[in-house]
Amino acid sequence: QVLLVESGGGVVQPGGSLRLSCAASGFTFNSYGMHWVRQSPGKGLEWVAFIKYDATKTKHADSAQGRFTISRDNSKGTLYLEMKSLRGQDTGVYFCAKDAWKLGAIPSYFDSWGQGALVTVSS
Amino acid sequence: EIVLTQSPGTLSLSPGERVTLSCRASQPISNDYLAWYQQKPGQAPRVLIYGASGRATGIPDRFGASGSGTDFTLTISRLEPEDFAVYYCQQYGTSPCSFGLGTKLEIK
Repeated sequence: QVLLVESGGGVVQPGGSLRLSCAASGFTFNSYGMHWVRQSPGKGLEWVAFIKYDATKTKHADSAQGRFTISRDNSKGTLYLEMKSLRGQDTGVYFCAKDAWKLGAIPSYFDSWGQGALVTVSS
Repeated sequence: EIVLTQSPGTLSLSPGERVTLSCRASQPISNDYLAWYQQKPGQAPRVLIYGASGRATGIPDRFGASGSGTDFTLTISRLEPEDFAVYYCQQYGTSPCSFGLGTKLEIK
């Protein structure tokens, strides 16, 4: 079965940096696009970034553009989110999620999710 | 960005009741690419419905959905205790994808 395990969350000061990782197993990682989705405390879901199965294309939400970078290492079955210039509004749980479409060129819906990594931006 | 408006914000119901949740889009959703998710406290969301009406693997048939264009609904025919949760709709027809703010089903 699909298993996604995030790591790298923690407390960081405003303006700081953090890198999240998501270890994937149970499916052919290099055949599926992947996403990061976040959820602020007590709030709804916000899509953050997408990377195509072969890493040739990425998309970032406007709120993440220029500060966050999604990447993947297909040889390790791992997804990453590099976050810089962090702000208080970036606080929340960050989920990695598997795209539903095999070999999809564009993002679709999310058919598997990790348990989430908590990022707290605070001084 | 397409804005999804979910209503109502909260519903108080009893097990056994039938419920219909609404998701309205600010503009037509391409190919009716709309999904529904269920999220319980402390858990990740779980996909219930994709493509407006397709039931995801392992989802009980008491969950049904319909709609097209800008108006979509999720219906639970007979509420079970485990169905009390927050439900989100998501459109993936136009980039960037977007979520509604959710409808919370609580036990009456």
